[in-house]
Amino acid sequence: AQTVTQSQPEMSVQEAETVTLSCTYDTSESDYYLFWYKQPPSRQMILVIRQEAYKQQNATENRFSVNFQKAAKSFSLKISDSQLGDAAMYFCAYRSYTGANSKLTFGKGITLSVRP
Amino acid sequence: KAGVTQTPRYLIKTRGQQVTLSCSPISGHRSVSWYQQTPGQGLQFLFEYFSETQRNKGNFPGRFSGRQFSNSRSEMNVSTLELGDSALYLCASSLEGGVWKTEAFFGQGTRLTVV
Repeated sequence: AQTVTQSQPEMSVQEAETVTLSCTYDTSESDYYLFWYKQPPSRQMILVIRQEAYKQQNATENRFSVNFQKAAKSFSLKISDSQLGDAAMYFCAYRSYTGANSKLTFGKGITLSVRP
Repeated sequence: KAGVTQTPRYLIKTRGQQVTLSCSPISGHRSVSWYQQTPGQGLQFLFEYFSETQRNKGNFPGRFSGRQFSNSRSEMNVSTLELGDSALYLCASSLEGGVWKTEAFFGQGTRLTVV
């Protein structure tokens, strides 16, 4: 079974600064997908960024980028130029590549606060 | 295009009762997954339905069940409610379950409180 670990329960960042959220996972599969989801106070989960394990290039989406280290099973999220609207809970998630399986395995999440 | 709609948004039930939650996926989406979110356990997968068939199931007791209708709308039912069932229940829909390019879109959830 796959597991996802987010060891930092809370982090804080100054507005306009950069912050990195950590995530590690465990799997015996070679092909899979990793995601970062954001959950603001409205509770709606929003996909921030996605990484396919077979791609060596790290995914980027505007101010968001990942550092994907497949051998180390590490998948961190970097938020550049942090904005007040980035304050939310962030979840790292894993999804198998093979089979008809939409199941997402989530980490415990990290609460990010942004200081003005 | 309307997003994933979950009803009701809030629910208070008494121990021993049963409850039904509803999820209307994005138009055209055929896969619906359900998750339970609690402060202690985090987000846990309940089950997934695709074309009216349960395709995957998480590690929850048989009190938790679900179904999907021909229009892809899904319901989940919890019978004999326990205090520990108090949680945020999230529904996610995707175009084709299991296809890697498909993103899962989440609803705003139903907050269930069992007293």
